[in-house]
Amino acid sequence: QKEVEQNSGPLSVPEGAIASLNCTYSDRGSQSFFWYRQYSGKSPELIMSIYSNGDKEDGRFTAQLNKASQYVSLLIRDSQPSDSATYLCAVVNAGGTSYGKLTFGQGTILTVHP
Amino acid sequence: NAGVTQTPKFQVLKTGQSMTLQCAQDMNHNSMYWYRQDPGMGLRLIYYSASEGTTDKGEVPNGYNVSRLNKREFSLRLESAAPSQTSVYFCAGRQGETQYFGPGTRLLVL
Repeated sequence: QKEVEQNSGPLSVPEGAIASLNCTYSDRGSQSFFWYRQYSGKSPELIMSIYSNGDKEDGRFTAQLNKASQYVSLLIRDSQPSDSATYLCAVVNAGGTSYGKLTFGQGTILTVHP
Repeated sequence: NAGVTQTPKFQVLKTGQSMTLQCAQDMNHNSMYWYRQDPGMGLRLIYYSASEGTTDKGEVPNGYNVSRLNKREFSLRLESAAPSQTSVYFCAGRQGETQYFGPGTRLLVL
């Protein structure tokens, strides 16, 4: 079992819809969770971080964390064609010497069509 | 403020050749990381440096070496390149909980 799993997609949604991206992780002691966006041919950029159970909203983006179910998700409201990208879920595993080491899922390709 | 820079942007090697990928940051990061990205596999950590003068193995270190020359620079060396090392390589620096990535180096090993 991979440590961080995502549905690789592609996920296709119409413009204006809600895109829902999901991620599960295996290390129950994980404390920090991140969503990165990566446009084709570019480097990943951080869009959301979440550390405690519940929802965290930032503009059109909402991250949701459920540590009991070991599940983290990203909702994108009013999806735009410019949101078309690969979305990477990343987790910092437990351990005092983690030094912020990220474990990434394989990424979900999102396509927003006009 | 250039952030994290990487050179070269693209490189073609023959099997058995060696090369060094360079990474530099001007954001005063203590921790720096090298990842490789292959299709369908996300990013995998090769090596990291928690602070100047220290380096540690990540998930996929075989075939690579690193040097943390000073606080700004963290290089990745392939001593004898293999086709399996064809990939896109990203360097990153960490500030707080956020990692900032360089633009990447595309490496093709023939």
